[in-house]
Amino acid sequence: AQKVTQAQTEISVVEKEDVTLDCVYETRDTTYYLFWYKQPPSGELVFLIRRNSFDEQNEISGRYSWNFQKSTSSFNFTITASQVVDSAVYFCALSEGRDSGTYKYIFGTGTRLKVLA
Amino acid sequence: GAGVSQSPRYKVAKRGQDVALRCDPISGHVSLFWYQQALGQGPEFLTYFQNEAQLDKSGLPSDRFFAERPEGSVSTLKIQRTQQEDSAVYLCASSFIAPQETQYFGPGTRLLVL
Repeated sequence: AQKVTQAQTEISVVEKEDVTLDCVYETRDTTYYLFWYKQPPSGELVFLIRRNSFDEQNEISGRYSWNFQKSTSSFNFTITASQVVDSAVYFCALSEGRDSGTYKYIFGTGTRLKVLA
Repeated sequence: GAGVSQSPRYKVAKRGQDVALRCDPISGHVSLFWYQQALGQGPEFLTYFQNEAQLDKSGLPSDRFFAERPEGSVSTLKIQRTQQEDSAVYLCASSFIAPQETQYFGPGTRLLVL
């Protein structure tokens, strides 16, 4: 069965601190995709990154970086030098087509990040 | 704007009323998904369309939920005889062609059933 676990319900940091959001996934498929989305108070899910299961290279985009490790089924997200505007709920999601071919997203329960000035 | 749009943004319904939620996907996007997000939870899959064909409706919680996309663009999610447990944010997402591509989400419709 597919499952995504975001064990951190809420994290509070002071501005300029680094913070890592954890994501652990379960899947039986060998071809799958992992995503991170940001949901600010406005409610819209904003796409951050997509990774396929064959590409384990870590990625950096500005202050954001992602660490994909198949050996531990984890896809963690780090924000460097956090800012107040980073405050939001962050969702990790898994997509695979083994069971239904739909590639529907399976979301974690989200991590609420609060960055304090 | 070129993003996914949804209307209405907010809907208050009395228990037992029927509601219709609209989604306009990104122009040219073939795949369209509906998700339901309860308060404090991650979105959960409801149904998937490829063009006008509804290929997966395994997530629809009951036969009171019905979705359509008759011309392969705009989609409507209809909930009949609404119940309080239907209160949630309903999110629509679209992807370009194949369903495994990145999904882009609309702002959602917040439904409150009293």
